[in-house]
Amino acid sequence: AQTVTQSQPEMSVQEAETVTLSCTYDTSESDYYLFWYKQPPSRQMILVIRQEAYKQQNATENRFSVNFQKAAKSFSLKISDSQLGDAAMYFCASYSNYQLIWGAGTKLIIKP
Amino acid sequence: SQTIHQWPATLVQPVGSPLSLECTVEGTSNPNLYWYRQAAGRGLQLLFYSVGIGQISSEVPQNLSASRPQDRQFILSSKKLLLSDSGFYLCAGPAQVNYGYTFGSGTRLTVV
Repeated sequence: AQTVTQSQPEMSVQEAETVTLSCTYDTSESDYYLFWYKQPPSRQMILVIRQEAYKQQNATENRFSVNFQKAAKSFSLKISDSQLGDAAMYFCASYSNYQLIWGAGTKLIIKP
Repeated sequence: SQTIHQWPATLVQPVGSPLSLECTVEGTSNPNLYWYRQAAGRGLQLLFYSVGIGQISSEVPQNLSASRPQDRQFILSSKKLLLSDSGFYLCAGPAQVNYGYTFGSGTRLTVV
């Protein structure tokens, strides 16, 4: 069975600094995708970044980037130049066979 | 682009009353659709998914049921609500971006 583990229930960072959120996963599938979703207080789920497992190059979206270590089954999210609007729950997810498997989430607090 | 509509946004229901939450999709045909439940401060639990009209797969045995009467309509129901049914319910469908999900805005259900 697929699993996704986020070992950090809560993280805090000073505004304008960099923070890394950790995620590990386990899957027997060879074809899968990995995602980071953001859930602000409004509780709307927002896709932050995605990574195709067959791609070695780490995905980047503006201030958000991932460190994808396929052999270690690790998929961390780095947020650079943290902004107050980045405060939210962040969920890591793995997709294959029509289903997204979710981690428990990391609450990110931004200190002004 | 695809949009997921979900209503109502908030619902307070007494124990033992029925439930009907509706989700409709715009911008795509024959989408896979999903119902998730999220407890406060927790990750997402997949309840049901549907790959087409009349096709429902249940992930978790529970007091809830789902139906797909039309291609772009997915309904979550209960005949008699329990206190444990309280939570935040999200409908999701495939996003335009490869294998990601698009989410509705969610329904906050409180059973009293």
